[in-house]
Parts: sequence; structure tokens; C-alpha cells
Amino acid sequence: AQSVTQPDIHITVSEGASLELRCNYSYGATPYLFWYVQSPGQGLQLLLKYFSGDTLVQGIKGFEAEFKRSQSSFNLRKPSVHWSDAAEYFCAVGEDNYGQNFVFGPGTRLSVLP
Amino acid sequence: ETGVTQSPTHLIKTRGQQVTLRCSSQSGHNTVSWYQQALGQGPQFIFQYYREEENGRGNFPPRFSGLQFPNYSSELNVNALELDDSALYLCASSATDRVDTQYFGPGTRLTVL
Repeated sequence: AQSVTQPDIHITVSEGASLELRCNYSYGATPYLFWYVQSPGQGLQLLLKYFSGDTLVQGIKGFEAEFKRSQSSFNLRKPSVHWSDAAEYFCAVGEDNYGQNFVFGPGTRLSVLP
Repeated sequence: ETGVTQSPTHLIKTRGQQVTLRCSSQSGHNTVSWYQQALGQGPQFIFQYYREEENGRGNFPPRFSGLQFPNYSSELNVNALELDDSALYLCASSATDRVDTQYFGPGTRLTVL
């Protein structure tokens, strides 16, 4: 079965600084990988996904992520953080694109300093 | 176009009671999925309903059950509540059964005392 770790429980960055959120997964085959954002009082929103092809994927809100098979990682990056990016971020891995085969990580809470 | 809505926002129950949570799908969506998100954890897939039939289930006991109605709204029912059922329950609707097409509601916070 697949599993996901997000080593950083909480990260604080200054507005305008770059951001990298780490995600490591355990799965034997090529995984389906996702990043979601959850703001207080709002539902989860899909930022980006990787299924195959180019290992650098672009998402919404200026985010990107890179799939590195050799490191079993799918880290999320943003070159310049905005105060509105403060939220909880979840990495998820699946053996396909269906809910019952899909596991979320524990999340990383991002705080942004003015 | 309305988004996914859930009711109630918050709910407090005692151990052993039963609870019903409700979800209204986004217009045009025929698939609803339910997730449980315990405090400090990521969501866990409970089950999915497609055109009123269960279409996949996660590792949850039978006391977690659901319904989907002809208008594609949905209910999550939990019987014999346990303390560990305290969590945020998320509903997601979609026009297909694929995860990447889901739109999530804001959730219902259930507290079991």
C-alpha cells in the first residue's frame, strides 16, 4: 500500500520569499501525485497533479512541483509567497485516479510573515 | 453556479448516538465522495456514490453508511458514535469518479463527547 510523509509540520516564511514544501511517498510503481491547499473554512482545492510525462508540473496560483523518482519525492515550490498563501498544504498519492486508492499526507501548515 | 455545500457546519453528539451529515453537489455533478479528516491529519476516503449507488469504499466499518438522492445530493450516516469519530467530514462532488475532478465543500465539524 502507498504512504505519504510530509516532514515539516509547520513552516513560516516572509512574504516575497521562496517556498518549498516537502513530500515523500512510498509506492512500488509510478504513482499518481497531487498537491492540495486547505484554507480555514474552505474546502480542499487541487493545486496540481502528476500522472506521467514531464516531471515538472505547473499548477494554479503560481505553484509548481517536481517529481523525482530516485528520491521518491514530489516537492511543491513557489518563487514568491503572498500573504494569501497561508494555509494547510496536503500531498497525496494514489495508485490511480480513484478515491479508494488514494492516500493523503498529514499536511504542512504554512504561515506567512508580513 | 453554486458550489458544494454541507450542513450543518458544526455538530456535537455523545458516544453511542447516531448522526446524519448532508451534502449538496455542485450543479451538473453526479458523483459524491466523503472523507474523514481527523485533527492534525490528512483526509481519509470513506466512500463514493455515483448515480445513487456506492462506487468504492475505504477502510471504514459498516456503521458508516451513505445515501445519494436523485438530485445527487448525499447523506453520510454514522451509527454508534465513538470518540474517535470526532473529525471534519468533507464532501466532494464531481462529474466523474476521478479524484482530480472533485470539488470539495467546507466540511462539517463533528465532536463526539
